[in-house]
Amino acid sequence: QVQLVESGGGVVQPGRSLRLSCAASGFIFSTYGMHWVRQAPGKGLEWVAVIWYDGSNEYYGDSVKGRFTISRDNSKNTLYLQMNSLRAEDTAIYYCARPSDSGDPFYYSMDVWGQGTTVTVSS
Amino acid sequence: IQMTQSPSTLSASVGDRVTITCRASQSISGWLAWYQQKPGKAPKLLIYKASSLESGVPSRFSGSGFGTEFTLTISSLQPDDFATYYCQRYNSYWTFGQGTKVAIK
Repeated sequence: QVQLVESGGGVVQPGRSLRLSCAASGFIFSTYGMHWVRQAPGKGLEWVAVIWYDGSNEYYGDSVKGRFTISRDNSKNTLYLQMNSLRAEDTAIYYCARPSDSGDPFYYSMDVWGQGTTVTVSS
Repeated sequence: IQMTQSPSTLSASVGDRVTITCRASQSISGWLAWYQQKPGKAPKLLIYKASSLESGVPSRFSGSGFGTEFTLTISSLQPDDFATYYCQRYNSYWTFGQGTKVAIK
């Protein structure tokens, strides 16, 4: 079955870095763009970043631009989020999510979500 | 483009007809989705392209609207429907509304 499994979350001090992973299975990963979406404790959903199916394009939300980098390894069916210069306000559950169709991720909603991995930024 | 949902919280009873509104600060045509999220769980896609029902989603859920104003309607609220609902625009960028919590009256 189609599945996304995030990992890599944990407790990290402000200013430090962390890399999240999202392992995909059950679909042809290399043909889908992929997203990261986060949710701070008790708050709503915030889109973080998207990467094209072939890694050729990336877009970021304003709150993470310049600090976070999305990437992928299609040979390993894995999506990544490199988070640098972490701040307390980056504390959240981070979800990876798949667009509802392959190819260009513009104009598609998100039909498959992982269970999330928790990142806590605290000294 | 900002997405604004109303109300933020809604109290209803089983069997009630429930309507949630989502407004975009500028036109997004029909590029709107609705998600349901329960505590401790990932969001679940309910509606895409403003009014298309995702496979497997009960027919009591429906969506409507175009441009800047959209609605999610639950025709007869069931116990499994108490959750938080988010709208999302996805016309070459992705923005969520702040959420509407549907609580038991």
